[in-house]
Formats: sequence, structure tokens, C-alpha cells
Amino acid sequence: DTEVTQTPKHLVMGMTNKKSLKCEQHMGHRAMYWYKQKAKKPPELMFVYSYEKLSINESVPSRFSPECPNSSLLNLHLHALQPEDSALYLCASSQDLSAAPGTDTQYFGPGTRLTVL
Amino acid sequence: GQNIDQPTEMTATEGAIVQINCTYQTSGFNGLFWYQQHAGEAPTFLSYNVLDGLEEKGRFSSFLSRSKGYSYLLLKELQMKDSASYLCAVRDLAGYSTLTFGKGTMLLVSP
Repeated sequence: DTEVTQTPKHLVMGMTNKKSLKCEQHMGHRAMYWYKQKAKKPPELMFVYSYEKLSINESVPSRFSPECPNSSLLNLHLHALQPEDSALYLCASSQDLSAAPGTDTQYFGPGTRLTVL
Repeated sequence: GQNIDQPTEMTATEGAIVQINCTYQTSGFNGLFWYQQHAGEAPTFLSYNVLDGLEEKGRFSSFLSRSKGYSYLLLKELQMKDSASYLCAVRDLAGYSTLTFGKGTMLLVSP
């Protein structure tokens, strides 16, 4: 089973709203990722969690706030977003962040299509 | 830093073979991945190369030459459902094995 689930599938929010994106995996993976993808562009890494601790923040604005409540769940809290933040938000997981071959394949969830009005 | 180049678009005919190239210039290298992404969907893992040579998986094969900073994805017996974007991604040698994606190659398979 290589399934990563994300909810909601679609989200429309105003610039003053607060919302959260959720991601879940039950593969026992200890590394989880948030990516942002604009149309016809590659995914851009936002955050990486390893063993429930934030390991990488790619200089993401503070209006995006990640949270990893446990090893299976990853949230992305959204507040005061801008229209340019509209994109597909992808969650991914991998076994861990070690460089050992074969342990680091990232598996992606279906994404949340976010529209900010 | 990482610089990854792929062709923007390619077209091919159903039943044919197509090769999608990827070149990279990176400060470190610890593996190259190919993902398939249909419009509006998540990337799906296709293959992984860390040593030089060819990895074969059914209709899909991927090749790596580390000395040349070069990889290709070979798709055989093309089907209409293979129309998608194909993303080349490189993992670096930094402390954390994050991926840097190329811009993707949009493949259109026609009847």
C-alpha cells in the first residue's frame, strides 16, 4: 500500500479566512513533505518533517503554518492568504530522510486544489 | 544548487517508442527519479536510478550516466493513457534527501 490521502480535494477561501489542509499516510513513513505546484510548473518544496519535527522550511511565508501531530498526520494551516497562493498543494511521504538507496522514494497524495479569492 | 533540463513538450504516436531526456548539473547527486503526472493529479513514482545503467520496469525503462549528468526515460508501446507530464527529479547529497524537480516534459500521444 503506497497511499497518501489528502483532504479536502478542493478548497475555496477568502483572504481573511483560516483553513487547514490535512494529509495522512499509514505506511509507517517517518518523513513527510508539503509541496506547492502552480499550473504547468514542477512541484516546489515548502516544508519537510522528519520524525514529527520540522527539518526544512524553504523560506515559506508565515501565513503557511505546518503541523505534524503524529507520525501519520501532517497539517498545513492557512491564514490571510493571497490570490497568488492559489495552487495545487501536494503532500508526500517517504520512509525516512536517510540517503540509503531504496528508502527515500516519495509517494504523493492526490493534492488539494486551493483557490484564494 | 541544482539545474535540471528537460524538453518542454514531445509528441508521439500510439504504439511507438519515445525517449524523454533529462540533464542535470548539481552540487551533489544521490539519485534520480522519474514521476508521471496527469493533469490535475498527483505525481506517480515511475523509476529510480542511483547507479549508472538501465532500470527496466515493464513498458518503462530509465537510464542514468552520472559522469554525463544525463538520464532518459524510455516508454515503449505507447498508449493514449501515457499522455501526461513526466518529471525528472534529482536528490542531492545534502543532509536531507530532498528532491529538486525539473520543469517536466508534456507528452502527447496521438492515435
